Amino acid sequence: GQNIDQPTEMTATEGAIVQINCTYQTSGFNGLFWYQQHAGEAPTFLSYNVLDGLEEKGRFSSFLSRSKGYSYLLLKELQMKDSASYLCAVRDSNYQLIWGAGTKLIIKP
Amino acid sequence: IAGITQAPTSQILAAGRRMTLRCTQDMRHNAMYWYRQDLGLGLRLIHYSNTAGTTGKGEVPDGYSVSRANTDDFPLTLASAVPSQTSVYFCASSDSEADTQYFGPGTRLTVL
Repeated sequence: GQNIDQPTEMTATEGAIVQINCTYQTSGFNGLFWYQQHAGEAPTFLSYNVLDGLEEKGRFSSFLSRSKGYSYLLLKELQMKDSASYLCAVRDSNYQLIWGAGTKLIIKP
Repeated sequence: IAGITQAPTSQILAAGRRMTLRCTQDMRHNAMYWYRQDLGLGLRLIHYSNTAGTTGKGEVPDGYSVSRANTDDFPLTLASAVPSQTSVYFCASSDSEADTQYFGPGTRLTVL
């Protein structure tokens, strides 16, 4: 079966750095996405990786290792507004997105 | 403002009733999707449409139907609602099946 694993919840301090991991087992691979979802709102797109390596976008970076079935999202200089759930999703061989359950990130002052 | 709209925002429905959730996008995206999101689970695909006039089944299609008469609209119908269909429903769209998906604000549905 297809499976996306990510931690249920993480806590970090304002101004610090946090890494959210995602491991996957899917039928084929056509890219990995990270979305941010604030409570009661829609998911919003953060990043996309299809090749191995690091993609940097401001305070957010995303890394992919296809051979290990592994990705992480790195958030730097954490702000209170970064408190949200972070969703990892893999596009499979049918071009459908398989979603993890999300990681709830709590930022403390 | 360009984007995706969904209606209603929330709804309480008696079991056995028929309900249609509406989704409209103005980005001229070819592909559209319906997901449900339940606590502790990832988003699950209900139905999708890669282009106007075509639809396909996702991971959890039972009890739901869709139509895609034009590019902009992608309604989701529950023919006879059951309590297990209580969920938050998100509509999404993308330029093609190979592109990034963008989400509407969601519909919170409660079936009693």
